[in-house]
Amino acid sequence: DAGVTQSPTHLIKTRGQQVTLRCSPKSGHDTVSWYQQALGQGPQFIFQYYEEEERQRGNFPDRFSGHQFPNYSSELNVNALLLGDSALYLCASSTGTFRGYEQYFGPGTRLTVT
Amino acid sequence: SQQGEEDPQALSIQEGENATMNCSYKTSINNLQWYRQNSGRGLVHLILIRSNEREKHSGRLRVTLDTSKKSSSLLITASRAADTASYFCATERSYNTDKLIFGTGTRLQVFP
Repeated sequence: DAGVTQSPTHLIKTRGQQVTLRCSPKSGHDTVSWYQQALGQGPQFIFQYYEEEERQRGNFPDRFSGHQFPNYSSELNVNALLLGDSALYLCASSTGTFRGYEQYFGPGTRLTVT
Repeated sequence: SQQGEEDPQALSIQEGENATMNCSYKTSINNLQWYRQNSGRGLVHLILIRSNEREKHSGRLRVTLDTSKKSSSLLITASRAADTASYFCATERSYNTDKLIFGTGTRLQVFP
C-alpha cells in the first residue's frame, strides 16, 4: 500500500518564476492538505482540498493556489516566487476531516528560490 | 502563526535515558497530536490525544494533556539512537477545525 507520494523531490527556481508541486494521497484518502516548512520551523498550514474544492486556507497570499483532481491527487502552484518561498513543502492526506484523524505526510518537496 | 510552543528547543541525552518534551498552546482544542520528523523529511504521526483524555500510551511513548493549563508532554522512555529527530506537537482547535497548527518543535539527539 503506497503512502503519500510527492514530486519532485527537489526543485530550484529563480525569483518571479512559477512552480507546480504534486501530491498523491494514501490509498483510500480523499482529503489533501499542504504545508510549508521553513528551515528550523514547524509546518505552516497552507490549504486543504476535499471533493475538489478548497475547504480551508491558512494565512498565505493568493500567489499560492491549488487544485484537487477526481482521483484525489493534488497540485500546489506558487506564482511570482520570492526568496522567502524557499522551504520544504509537505503534503498530507487523511480521510474526511481532521476531527480526530491523523495526517499521513509525504516526504516533501524542497524548493529553493534563488 | 504557530499555536504551540515546544520546550525545550533542543535536548541531548544518552541512550537508555528518558526524554521529556513539553508543548503549550493558546486556544481550546479538539485534539493534540505529536509527530516526529527525521532530518527535514516527512512527518510521522506518533500519537493523538483527545481533549477529554488526560493520558495515553503507545509503546515507549507516554503523552499527557492538561487542558486547564493548555499544555501537553511527550515522554519517550529508554531512548535509542534511532529516536534522534525533531518532535512537533500539533493541535486541532475546537473552532475553525480542519487544519492542524504545529508548534516550533524540539530537536532531540540521543547519543549511543
